[in-house]
This record gives sequence, structure tokens and C-alpha cells, in this order.
Amino acid sequence: GAVVSQHPSRVICKSGTSVKIECRSLDFQATTMFWYRQFPKQSLMLMATSNEGSKATYEQGVEKDKFLINHASLTLSTLTVTSAHPEDSSFYICSARVGQRHGYTFGSGTRLTVV
Amino acid sequence: GENVEQHPSTLSVQEGDSAVIKCTYSDSASNYFPWYKQELGKGPQLIIDIRSNVGEKKDQRIAVTLNKTAKHFSLHITETQPEDSAVYFCAASISGNEKLTFGTGTRLTIIP
Repeated sequence: GAVVSQHPSRVICKSGTSVKIECRSLDFQATTMFWYRQFPKQSLMLMATSNEGSKATYEQGVEKDKFLINHASLTLSTLTVTSAHPEDSSFYICSARVGQRHGYTFGSGTRLTVV
Repeated sequence: GENVEQHPSTLSVQEGDSAVIKCTYSDSASNYFPWYKQELGKGPQLIIDIRSNVGEKKDQRIAVTLNKTAKHFSLHITETQPEDSAVYFCAASISGNEKLTFGTGTRLTIIP
């Protein structure tokens, strides 16, 4: 089946530094990828929709200058958390749709801890 | 926009018994309804989905029912096993709009 590979699975960074999270579609081309954020014991909140070759579309309340999204190829989207602060600590998950009539497949998530 | 409500938030079931999780949605244009299982520290995994032209779908111990008139859909797990313990999320989306709107999740615990 379709696989989305997400790296790293865990990262700890110091306040003020930037962290990049990668999301790759391994056996299909993903023109659109989605980035979610999930706080403990809560649901997934969509942060942005990433479109290959164009600017990402951010959800209301998400700072586009803080959460930089790049979707330079049909198989890779990246999320960079810039100038990270402890409140950015969360579980970040990417997702891609597999074709028009298929479902969405998710990456394994990245646990970000900012100290 | 779409709003998806999910109940119950927690559910404990004796091993071997059935579990039912229910979701309601607000936008009648929604036509795709997946269910995801999420284990601790992992991303959601699709377990079953249904589209608006179907009322019920079954895959072994898992089934989903959809009532478009009432705008609700349900997940049914029969003969539950300890490995079914996880958090389950329902979601909804509208054809042409690729966004998934998630429910609030149900923590299912199977009691051996």
C-alpha cells in the first residue's frame, strides 16, 4: 500500500533554533500533502495544505513565517519550525492523498520537544 | 466549515464484546468518511472508510454504517481483542475539498 515516510520521529532542540521535518511519499506521487499538529490527548488540527510547486495554504491562526512549508517535488514536503519555543512542542504529522478516489495516508509523526 | 462530533470520548469493553463509536457531521455536502486508529506515539492508520453512495461497509471484524439523512456514521468492532486498544478518530471530507475534518477521538480500552 501507499506509504508516507516521516523523519525524524523524535527531535529535541533548544529555544531559538529551527527544526526541519521531512515527509516523503515512497511509492506514489503526492501533489498535495497536509501538515497536522496534535497536542496530548487531543485531535489532529490541520496546520496547512502543501501543494507541489506552489505556496502552501495555511489554516487560520497558523503563523506562516514560523511554520515554513516547502513542497519542491511530487514526493517530498518539508515543515520547518523556525525560532522554536517551548510552546511549539507537539506531535507533528504529515499526510497525503493517494489518488482522487483513495484515502489519505499518514506519516508516523514527529515528536518535537523544545527546551 | 465542517464540524465533526465524536462520542464517547472513552470506552472500555470486555474482550470479545463489541464496541461502537458514533460521529455526527454538520455539512451535508460531505461524502467521504474514514476511520483511523492511532496507537501511542504513532501516526493515524486508516482502518475503514465509506463514501456517501454506500450505507454500510464491512471488513472482517470492523464495519462502518452511514446515515446521510441524519448526518451520522458509526464504527462497529466485533469480537474485540486487546490489540484493538487505541485511540480511534472519525473524519469527514467533501469531494473537491481535500481537507479532512477530524472528530475529537475515542480512547478504546479492551479489558482482558
